[in-house]
Amino acid sequence: AQSVTQLGSHVSVSEGALVLLRCNYSSSVPPYLFWYVQYPNQGLQLLLKYTSAATLVKGINGFEAEFKKSETSFHLTKPSAHMSDAAEYFCAVSSSNTGKLIFGQGTTLQVKP
Amino acid sequence: GAVVSQHPSWVICKSGTSVKIECRSLDFQATTMFWYRQFPKQSLMLMATSNEGSKATYEQGVEKDKFLINHASLTLSTLTVTSAHPEDSSFYICSALSQGGNEQFFGPGTRLTVL
Repeated sequence: AQSVTQLGSHVSVSEGALVLLRCNYSSSVPPYLFWYVQYPNQGLQLLLKYTSAATLVKGINGFEAEFKKSETSFHLTKPSAHMSDAAEYFCAVSSSNTGKLIFGQGTTLQVKP
Repeated sequence: GAVVSQHPSWVICKSGTSVKIECRSLDFQATTMFWYRQFPKQSLMLMATSNEGSKATYEQGVEKDKFLINHASLTLSTLTVTSAHPEDSSFYICSALSQGGNEQFFGPGTRLTVL
């Protein structure tokens, strides 16, 4: 079975500050891991994904995440927050044989001027 | 590439009526599509896996007779909410599995409001 836990349902940062959104996973098979962003009343946009290649994954809009097997974590970071980064962020895990995604609870990122 | 569309983007219907939502993969063929439901301020809940040419696989607790899924072609899956009730009001999102099978591409969602 697979599961995802996002620590912190709401994160607030100042514009220009570091963004850190936490994600821990549980998986009995080698996982594929994803971060998605969702703006109000829209679908999900893929930020980045880990599929067993490099453990440090760079995505769009300056985001990156590091897969740490020993910590079962896949935290999302961005060095400097922009106002446009304010949105809902979802971490998700899947296995290669089903393609089914299991989502975390989501983290709302607020960026203050 | 990898664009998924949904139609309609929003719909309002009366209680007791049925509503059909379409999910299309515009530039690739998808043998597998997924349907999710999202309540306000909550995460996505997988409702069912839609497989082209075969019956959908529903997640536990999802009524297959209420949420009819048809995946008649490699680019189209439909979700029909039958005899809709106000508690069916939600944001429904579909996705299409990539041909490599390791990524889902999401549609923009459909907002259903049942009066």
